[in-house]
Formats: sequence, structure tokens, C-alpha cells
Amino acid sequence: GAVVSQHPSRVICKSGTSVKIECRSLDFQATTMFWYRQFPKQSLMLMATSNEGSKATYEQGVEKDKFLINHASLTLSTLTVTSAHPEDSSFYICSASPVGLVETQYFGPGTRLLVL
Amino acid sequence: GIQVEQSPPDLILQEGANSTLRCNFSDSVNNLQWFHQNPWGQLINLFYIPSGTKQNGRLSATTVATERYSLLYISSSQTTDSGVYFCAVPRLNTGFQKLVFGTGTRLLVSP
Repeated sequence: GAVVSQHPSRVICKSGTSVKIECRSLDFQATTMFWYRQFPKQSLMLMATSNEGSKATYEQGVEKDKFLINHASLTLSTLTVTSAHPEDSSFYICSASPVGLVETQYFGPGTRLLVL
Repeated sequence: GIQVEQSPPDLILQEGANSTLRCNFSDSVNNLQWFHQNPWGQLINLFYIPSGTKQNGRLSATTVATERYSLLYISSSQTTDSGVYFCAVPRLNTGFQKLVFGTGTRLLVSP
């Protein structure tokens, strides 16, 4: 149980295009989902927190107009990287907290984004 | 904000060896987690350990909250233990668990 999936697992796109990454909790409902970014050989950095049905909360230094987050249901959150540039190339990881278990996060397998 | 430092940054072991990974944090915390990130990037939670000691098979962890550090012990290491180990603590005064990850220890276990 407690599986989180991400799609796609990897994506290559041209500079200037937009890319959407999906995060799904497969066997539980998630009130809160988190998006992290990890550059090569670095740690995970929290980008934003999303709650179902409300606007996402972004961390300092993260551009909300560039990284659009939609948490449309209790099992799906999407991250759209708009007008992607090579410096946006990174490993994006989502996590989900089950309803009623705010101290627990289950992590997705990550999405590798390469912007050419 | 809270700072989380891990040591050593890199570790190479022969299969069968034991190791200790350390996590230091700069402020009081109400929880601490250890994760293993496998070579494909998947994060796996190893321990929730705000204080005391826990064991799970060849792994054990100890957190001394008053001294602001935690230790992860790996005994009889196997090649499948390779990857990056992170500790993470929740940022204080957040309604849900906004995690601050440590700098990581990259472990390579050779046959």
C-alpha cells in the first residue's frame, strides 16, 4: 500500500516549451502533496506545498508563474514547468500525505527533466 | 532556518563492513526521518526517530535530540545498500510536515 506514482518518469523538451508532470496517490487519498527539486549530487529542496482545492504555497525563491501547481483532486497533483529553460533541468520528486496522517509522506519515483 | 548537515559526504565500503552515518541539526526538532535514495532516485523511508533508538534488520538509528544529532548504523553492508542516505527534519511551526533534508551521505558498497 501507500504508492505514489509520477508520470512521465523522464522527459526531454526544447527550450521555451512547457512540461506537465503528474503525481498520483494510487491507493490512498492525499490532503497535501509536496513538490521537491533535486539537482545532480545535491539534496532535495522543497519547492511548494499543495492542498486539494486551494492554491499552492511556494517556497522562497520559487517562481509561482513558472512552476504552476494544480491539486485538482485528493489523488492528483500536477506541476507544469512553463517556458522551460536548460537551468530548469533537474529531478522533480513529489510526495503525498494521507488524509489524517500529516506527519507521513510517501514519495514518488521522480521525474527527470532535461531541457535542451 | 534550520540547518541539517550530514557526514561523511561520501563513503566507500567493502561488502560486509559496518558504518555509521551522522546527521547534525541546528535547532530543536519534534521528529527526524532517515531515507535511502536508491540509484534510480526512489526515496524509501527507513526510520521515524524523534528520539531514542530503533532497529530494523541490519539498520538501526539513534537520535539524541538534546544534543541535536542522529546516527544511522549499517551493519554487514550489502551492495544493495548503495545509494544516498538523507536525514530530514520538519520545519518548525508549519501546519504540516515541510521537510528540510540534510546534505546527504553517498554510500558505495563494493563486492
